[in-house]
Amino acid sequence: DGGITQSPKYLFRKEGQNVTLSCEQNLNHDAMYWYRQDPGQGLRLIYYSQIVNDFQKGDIAEGYSVSREKKESFPLTVTSAQKNPTAFYLCASSLEGVAGYTFGSGTRLTIV
Amino acid sequence: AQSVAQPEDQVNVAEGNPLTVKCTYSVSGNPYLFWYVQYPNRGLQFLLKYITGDNLVKGSYGFEAEFNKSQTSFHLKKPSALVSDSALYFCAVRDGVRGKLQFGAGTQVVVTP
Repeated sequence: DGGITQSPKYLFRKEGQNVTLSCEQNLNHDAMYWYRQDPGQGLRLIYYSQIVNDFQKGDIAEGYSVSREKKESFPLTVTSAQKNPTAFYLCASSLEGVAGYTFGSGTRLTIV
Repeated sequence: AQSVAQPEDQVNVAEGNPLTVKCTYSVSGNPYLFWYVQYPNRGLQFLLKYITGDNLVKGSYGFEAEFNKSQTSFHLKKPSALVSDSALYFCAVRDGVRGKLQFGAGTQVVVTP
């Protein structure tokens, strides 16, 4: 089945450590997105990529980095510069046109 | 610029009663409108979309939405709510075929037995 996979589901890291969240899709979608969601809150766009080897900052890119070396993969690194990284992170992908987004099941990151 | 508003943070409804979740939008061109649902600790699931055609769109799990161009609204409805419909609902809009979706802030639906 085609889909979008985020791993791990839960992630714990010590303060000051960088951590990378995985997002893989086999839908042949061109565009991929990373969102942050805080408890009871909406979605805030971190980074997005519309094509391989290209990506743009979203609304809250500070303290995060991404790469898009392959169409299928869009990993997100949460760096030590991110002041409050504990949150639920959602990855999504889409085709241009009339389709919406397909979302992964999310990664809950907790800084201890 | 495109924008979308969900005026209610939370909607409370008794099981069996009709459920409505409101959404209004603003775009410069033709709107592509979407509804998603999110259960706790899960990703967003697609419910339905409006691209063109019939103003009443039917989607998953018995949900439907009505596109109203004059009121720039796309309210989500279900004739008879279930306790299992309790979740966070997001409206989203895209201005034409290109570009990113703009998501609303979300509306928490609570259905009581």
